[in-house]
Amino acid sequence: AQTVTQSQPEMSVQEAETVTLSCTYDTSESNYYLFWYKQPPSRQMILVIRQEAYKQQNATENRFSVNFQKAAKSFSLKISDSQLGDTAMYFCAFMAYNTDKLIFGTGTRLQVFP
Amino acid sequence: SAVISQKPSRDICQRGTSLTIQCQVDSQVTMMFWYRQQPGQSLTLIATANQGSEATYESGFVIDKFPISRPNLTFSTLTVSNMSPEDSSIYLCSVVGTGYSEQYFGPGTRLTVT
Repeated sequence: AQTVTQSQPEMSVQEAETVTLSCTYDTSESNYYLFWYKQPPSRQMILVIRQEAYKQQNATENRFSVNFQKAAKSFSLKISDSQLGDTAMYFCAFMAYNTDKLIFGTGTRLQVFP
Repeated sequence: SAVISQKPSRDICQRGTSLTIQCQVDSQVTMMFWYRQQPGQSLTLIATANQGSEATYESGFVIDKFPISRPNLTFSTLTVSNMSPEDSSIYLCSVVGTGYSEQYFGPGTRLTVT
């Protein structure tokens, strides 16, 4: 069975600074996807970034980038130039190919301070 | 990405009653999913709803407690039956995007059972 672990329950960062959120996972699958979702206080789940396991290049979406280390089963999210609107819960998630079943980590609460 | 709406956005219900949550998508989608997010917790998949077939439930969730309908490719309902305070959660529906891996979520329904 797959598991996703987020070891940082809470993080804080000052506006305009950079912060990295950690995620590790365990799987015996060779083909899978990894995701970061953001859930602000409005509770809307928003897809931040996606990584396909077969791609060595780390995914990037504007200020958001990942450090994907397949051998170490690590998938961290880096947020550059943090903004107040980045304040939210961040969930790391795993999906094996051909399953459509998302397995979520426990989440990291990020607070961005002015 | 798909635009997903849910009704109601929140409700307070009495123990022993049932609540039906609606999920509407602005485009036709094959697969829809229902998740539960208990207070301060991560998301757990309840079931997968495909149009024209019975929903597939995850371990720990049963059809008698969480009956699901999927009458067409843009709509689904989840009923929470014979509610108890332990059912107090946010219930979210999601759909698979055109990329066949991304899932997009509705705004959620916050249910409180007293």
